[in-house]
Amino acid sequence: NAGVTQTPKFQVLKTGQSMTLQCAQDMNHEYMSWYRQDPGMGLRLIHYSVGAGITDQGEVPNGYNVSRSTTEDFPLRLLSAAPSQTSVYFCASSFDRGTKNIQYFGAGTRLSVL
Amino acid sequence: AQTVTQSQPEMSVQEAETVTLSCTYDTSESDYYLFWYKQPPSRQMILVIRQEAYKQQNATENRFSVNFQKAAKSFSLKISDSQLGDAAMYFCAYGGETSGSRLTFGEGTQLTVNP
Repeated sequence: NAGVTQTPKFQVLKTGQSMTLQCAQDMNHEYMSWYRQDPGMGLRLIHYSVGAGITDQGEVPNGYNVSRSTTEDFPLRLLSAAPSQTSVYFCASSFDRGTKNIQYFGAGTRLSVL
Repeated sequence: AQTVTQSQPEMSVQEAETVTLSCTYDTSESDYYLFWYKQPPSRQMILVIRQEAYKQQNATENRFSVNFQKAAKSFSLKISDSQLGDAAMYFCAYGGETSGSRLTFGEGTQLTVNP
C-alpha cells in the first residue's frame, strides 16, 4: 500500500541546474498538488492538477513547471535552480478537488541549491 | 484570499499534561473545512483531525479535540494526556468552497513534550 511516493528524498543542486522531482500515487486520485515548506511560512501551494491533462498555478509557481500526462504521476520541474528554491517539497493527492477530501502527502524531498 | 495564522511558534508541555495550540483564520466563505496536521521529525504530514464549518459539534479523535469558534474564526487543538510521541510541528490548514483541495496552511507550531 504505497500511497504517495516522492523521489528523491534528498537532492543537492548547483545554481542553474535543472531537475525533476517525481511524484506518483496509486490510489487513483484525481487531484494532485505540490507544496513547498519553508521555516516560519508553513506550506505554500506551487502547482496543482484536477485531473490528467489539467494543471494550474498555485500561490508560488514561478520557477517551476508541471505536467500531468497520467492520473498516477505529477512531476515537478525546476528549469534553472536558484538558491531561493532551497526548501522541502511535498506532493499530495486526494480523491477529487472537493473541500472535504483528506489529502495524502508524500514523505517530502529536501532540496538544497548552492 | 483566505489566511491562516498560528501565533505560537513554539509550545512545550509536560508528559501527561494538556496543551492547547491556537489557530485563527480569515475567510468570507460559508462552506469550508479546517484541519490540523502533525509533522514529526520524519517529515511525514499526518492528518490529526478535521472540522466542517457547518457542524456545531467540535471534532474529537481520541486524545485530540478542537475548539471551533466560528464567529471568532478560531480553531484551537487540545491534546490531552500528552505523550512523547506527540512532539512534532503542528499545522493548521483551511480548505474552502472556492479553493477546494487547495489548502492554505498556517506557519506551524513546534510542540515539545518534556518527560
